[in-house]
Amino acid sequence: EPEVTQTPSHQVTQMGQEVILRCVPISNHLYFYWYRQILGQKVEFLVSFYNNEISEKSEIFDDQFSVERPDGSNFTLKIRSTKLEDSAMYFCASIGGNTEAFFGQGTRLTVV
Amino acid sequence: KQEVTQIPAALSVPEGENLVLNCSFTDSAIYNLQWFRQDPGKGLTSLLLIQSSQREQTSGRLNASLDKSSGRSTLYIAASQPGDSATYLCAGSNFGNEKLTFGTGTRLTIIP
Repeated sequence: EPEVTQTPSHQVTQMGQEVILRCVPISNHLYFYWYRQILGQKVEFLVSFYNNEISEKSEIFDDQFSVERPDGSNFTLKIRSTKLEDSAMYFCASIGGNTEAFFGQGTRLTVV
Repeated sequence: KQEVTQIPAALSVPEGENLVLNCSFTDSAIYNLQWFRQDPGKGLTSLLLIQSSQREQTSGRLNASLDKSSGRSTLYIAASQPGDSATYLCAGSNFGNEKLTFGTGTRLTIIP
């Protein structure tokens, strides 16, 4: 069964460092998303990506964040200069023609 | 702006019982309603998607319903098993925008 794959599963980084979270969406999907979940809180929308550009972004997605689809398979989220409050679980999701969202297993980001 | 609420936050039931999880949303223009399962520290597994033209969906022991007029969705689990213990999240999206707005989830514990 097709699945969304995220790497790494856990990333520890020092405050101020750049991190890149990677995702391989389901191959025939066209819509891609990043969400995050701070421990004990709701899953929150960060950004959506369609046709090689951002289609919507939340207030959380400020200039420190960027997304890229560098080739036909990978979808990345970059945080330029991490802050303690960026510590969270980051989920990648993709959607195909039937509008059902499929999520990856997440990357747990810990900023120290 | 769509707001999604799930009550109760936690629920414990003996094995074998049938149970209902509730999800409320504020915007009746909701288009899709999706239920997910999340195990501790893990990703989101899609359980059921109810699209705009549908009122319910079934998969095995799970049945989800959607009532737009009352702003409610329910997830019915029949003959509960210890393996059903997890957090259950509902999430909605509006027409033309597949971005999901999540509830805070119900943490379900099935007591053997």
